[in-house]
Amino acid sequence: DGGITQSPKYLFRKEGQNVTLSCEQNLNHDAMYWYRQDPGQGLRLIYYSQIVNDFQKGDIAEGYSVSREKKESFPLTVTSAQKNPTAFYLCASSPWTGPNYGYTFGSGTRLTVV
Amino acid sequence: AQSVTQLGSHVSVSEGALVLLRCNYSSSVPPYLFWYVQYPNQGLQLLLKYTSAATLVKGINGFEAEFKKSETSFHLTKPSAHMSDAAEYFCAVSDTGGSYIPTFGRGTSLIVHP
Repeated sequence: DGGITQSPKYLFRKEGQNVTLSCEQNLNHDAMYWYRQDPGQGLRLIYYSQIVNDFQKGDIAEGYSVSREKKESFPLTVTSAQKNPTAFYLCASSPWTGPNYGYTFGSGTRLTVV
Repeated sequence: AQSVTQLGSHVSVSEGALVLLRCNYSSSVPPYLFWYVQYPNQGLQLLLKYTSAATLVKGINGFEAEFKKSETSFHLTKPSAHMSDAAEYFCAVSDTGGSYIPTFGRGTSLIVHP
């Protein structure tokens, strides 16, 4: 079955460390997205990409970086510049960035600073 | 600009009772509206979407939502709650006036009592 795979499911980061969250999709979707979820705050957009080798900042991009070298993959790096990285991170995809497309989500990565 | 307000961070119902989760939106152009469900430690799953074809939209798991332009609302309902409906529900809006990226509400946690 087609879908989105996020790994790892749980990730622990030490202070000052960069970590990379993986997101892979086999839906042949052009657009991919990264969201951060904190309790009571809904979903906040970090980055999104409409095509390979191109991506745009979302509402809370500071302290994060992404790449889109392949259509299937959209990894997110949480850098040491992100001061409060503990959160649930969700990757999503859609066929295109049209307004009528719903998203397909991965099952998330829970990142904790130790 | 678009925005979404979900009234009530928690809604509690008894099993078999009507479920009503409220969503009001703000959009300067005709919107596209979505409801998603999230089970604990999982990603979001699309329940239903409104894309202007019909004002009453039926989704999965017996849920439906009605678009009311005069009230700028898109409330989610289900006639009879099941224990398995306990989850977090998110309303989202996107429109044709910007980047098409949806804005999510803060979510409503549905609690179902036996």
